[in-house]
Amino acid sequence: KQEVTQIPAALSVPEGENLVLNCSFTDSAIYNLQWFRQDPGKGLTSLLLIQSSQREQTSGRLNASLDKSSGRSTLYIAASQPGDSATYLCAVPTGANNLFFGTGTRLTVIP
Amino acid sequence: DGGITQSPKYLFRKEGQNVTLSCEQNLNHDAMYWYRQDPGQGLRLIYYSQIVNDFQKGDIAEGYSVSREKKESFPLTVTSAQKNPTAFYLCASSMLRLDRRTAYYGYTFGSGTRLTVV
Repeated sequence: KQEVTQIPAALSVPEGENLVLNCSFTDSAIYNLQWFRQDPGKGLTSLLLIQSSQREQTSGRLNASLDKSSGRSTLYIAASQPGDSATYLCAVPTGANNLFFGTGTRLTVIP
Repeated sequence: DGGITQSPKYLFRKEGQNVTLSCEQNLNHDAMYWYRQDPGQGLRLIYYSQIVNDFQKGDIAEGYSVSREKKESFPLTVTSAQKNPTAFYLCASSMLRLDRRTAYYGYTFGSGTRLTVV
């Protein structure tokens, strides 16, 4: 069964710093990988979707990479801002089109 | 704008009572899903449906029931058999991959319903 792990569980950085969030998965036969953001008490907002044939995707200050062979993905956030404070989740789909989620990284950006 | 609407935002359930959470989407997505989120745990799949009038159990379906009478709607009922229903419930939808030529689609989530037993 697929297992998705996110390290670290929590991260605090000063405003303006660049940072990297990590996601690892045990079954490399994935179709895509999706990064989400969740604010406290809110639903999930999709940030980036990487297809299995791609190695990275970019959206503004966010860049996500995917290395299927090593079972890893990273989310790079450039020039962090207090508004980036949230929990970041990565997820991979199974063959039945369901998603396996990691437990998330809780990011705090200190002004 | 297209999206997923969950209601209510907050719901309180008495012991032994059944409650229904609403999920509606206007994205024309084929598949819909229900997830449960507990503090310190990842999201866990309750039920999913890939087509109208058909649905499948997820990892934690006991004590829950669903229906899919319309493509746009996928309500979740939390029955009295669910002994620990207090949690945050999230509904999602996605298009299904038709064949190998098309890319896989991502998920879109609603804003969630927080259910509390009183």
